[in-house]
Amino acid sequence: QKEVEQNSGPLSVPEGAIASLNCTYSDRGSQSFFWYRQYSGKSPELIMSIYSNGDKEDGRFTAQLNKASQYVSLLIRDSQPSDSATYLCAVTGPNTGNQFYFGTGTSLTVIP
Amino acid sequence: EAGVTQFPSHSVIEKGQTVTLRCDPISGHDNLYWYRRVMGKEIKFLLHFVKESKQDESGMPNNRFLAERTGGTYSTLKVQPAELEDSGVYFCASSQATVRTSGRNNEQFFGPGTRLTVL
Repeated sequence: QKEVEQNSGPLSVPEGAIASLNCTYSDRGSQSFFWYRQYSGKSPELIMSIYSNGDKEDGRFTAQLNKASQYVSLLIRDSQPSDSATYLCAVTGPNTGNQFYFGTGTSLTVIP
Repeated sequence: EAGVTQFPSHSVIEKGQTVTLRCDPISGHDNLYWYRRVMGKEIKFLLHFVKESKQDESGMPNNRFLAERTGGTYSTLKVQPAELEDSGVYFCASSQATVRTSGRNNEQFFGPGTRLTVL
């Protein structure tokens, strides 16, 4: 079983719609959760971090965490073509070394 | 503030040769991490430095890989001798801390990566 699972997509949404990206993780001891955006050939760019159950909003982005269900999601409101990228979910392990476990990423395409 | 930088951006070598990758973390970040992504797979952890000390090298695939961080600033990752399966993108990341505390957090910031191709 993989540590972090994401649907690989591709996920296509029309411009202006809400894009919903999902991630599940296997280790109940995980404490920190991150979403990265990666454009083709570029570095992963941190867009959201979340540590507590519930929602965290930052502009058009909302991260949702449910530790009981071992589930973290990212909602992108008013999707723009510039949001087209691969979105990576990252989760810390149970130890204190801050090693990140990544999913394989979900490819998002926003259609103008 | 400058981000994480890596050099070279691309490297093409033949099997059996040696390659050294370099990473310069964000200034003031004591924690430096190496990750690797092979084609079609997820990004995987290789090792973690705290200043100049190796905190966790559990992800290093074998003894052909040697990482150093002399003086606790930049880091190098040497692959010697390189094998075909070493091909991939090698990312470096840095963070202020390993746990989130008041005024410091454990977010990791990634460099652009080095794409290594072993022929």
